[in-house]
Amino acid sequence: DGGITQSPKYLFRKEGQNVTLSCEQNLNHDAMYWYRQDPGQGLRLIYYSQIVNDFQKGDIAEGYSVSREKKESFPLTVTSAQKNPTAFYLCASRRRGTNTGELFFGEGSRLTVL
Amino acid sequence: AQKITQTQPGMFVQEKEAVTLDCTYDTSDQSYGLFWYKQPSSGEMIFLIYQGSYDEQNATEGRYSLNFQKARKSANLVISASQLGDSAMYFCAMREGLGNNNDMRFGAGTRLTVKP
Repeated sequence: DGGITQSPKYLFRKEGQNVTLSCEQNLNHDAMYWYRQDPGQGLRLIYYSQIVNDFQKGDIAEGYSVSREKKESFPLTVTSAQKNPTAFYLCASRRRGTNTGELFFGEGSRLTVL
Repeated sequence: AQKITQTQPGMFVQEKEAVTLDCTYDTSDQSYGLFWYKQPSSGEMIFLIYQGSYDEQNATEGRYSLNFQKARKSANLVISASQLGDSAMYFCAMREGLGNNNDMRFGAGTRLTVKP
């Protein structure tokens, strides 16, 4: 079945360490997104990519980095520069050219900094 | 400035009754799309319904309907005949501009609890 796979589902990290969250999709979607969700809050956009080898910062990109070397993959690195990285991270994708353009989401990765 | 406002942090509804979840939005664009997503406790976001700014009819998808009042910039979600499985977080979202290549902004969400 087609879908978006995020890994790991749960991740613990010590302060000062970088960590990379994986996002893979087999939907043949062009655009991919990373959102952060904190308790009691909505989703905030970190980075997005419309095509391979191109990506743009969202509203809260500081302390994060991404790459888009393949259409299927959009990994997110949470660097030590991110002051409060403990959160739930959601990856999404969208097929260009559809009428509605809804996002398809993965099941998320929960990062806890110890 | 907040683009999407959901004023109800939590809502309760009796099983089999209807419930309305509020959403107001702010945009100066004439072309935009409005979305509702459901997030169960598992964390996955599930797309429910879409309304385009030029759509004259309110969108409906099964038990979900969107009460679109363009002049008031309101896009409320109506769930009819609530079921226990409807208990979840619900998010309203908007994409501004033509086409669908722009990013999407989300509200803070409403937690719906369906009581048996």
